[in-house]
Amino acid sequence: SQQGEEDPQALSIQEGENATMNCSYKTSINNLQWYRQNSGRGLVHLILIRSNEREKHSGRLRVTLDTSKKSSSLLITASRAADTASYFCATPYDSWGKLQFGAGTQVVVTP
Amino acid sequence: DVKVTQSSRYLVKRTGEKVFLECVQDMDHENMFWYRQDPGLGLRLIYFSYDVKMKEKGDIPEGYSVSREKKERFSLILESASTNQTSMYLCASSFKDGYTFGSGTRLTVV
Repeated sequence: SQQGEEDPQALSIQEGENATMNCSYKTSINNLQWYRQNSGRGLVHLILIRSNEREKHSGRLRVTLDTSKKSSSLLITASRAADTASYFCATPYDSWGKLQFGAGTQVVVTP
Repeated sequence: DVKVTQSSRYLVKRTGEKVFLECVQDMDHENMFWYRQDPGLGLRLIYFSYDVKMKEKGDIPEGYSVSREKKERFSLILESASTNQTSMYLCASSFKDGYTFGSGTRLTVV
């Protein structure tokens, strides 16, 4: 089964609105990562948050982590059409840092 | 910027053919990975390599093999392609804080 499960599966918003997606995971982690995938392309690393951090920002992205609830959220503020993509959370599950990816949230931003 | 380059964006191969998917990274990363991505199944790890000539099976290695003769290159081999191997194949190399992915190869086996 997937370590990370994103919610919702799909999200449709208008430009300028904020988009929030959530990720839940099952086991203890030392970090959680978010990736973006544009249609038909590879994944792009967006941000990593460590287990001792509660919140992290990168540009228009804000990530939170609640280890007591085993959950994380990704907020994209003031969304743009170029933010249309699938977003995945990922958690490492062994000492090599192999990642387990969630099923992703598909975000569509309409002009 | 770190680059992970996959040799082909699209490939069409016939059932039974031997298929080579090539991946090259330019940042001296030790760890490299091959995933396949299918609708409804997400990303699944096929093989992982942590050094030259070192490899480890992932979750779905059946029907695949890999080769890592040089640090920068990690090849995925489909020994005898089958239609159920039609998929998007993603190569990645890892740095301290995450993975860098290639653009992907969409393979169709007919």
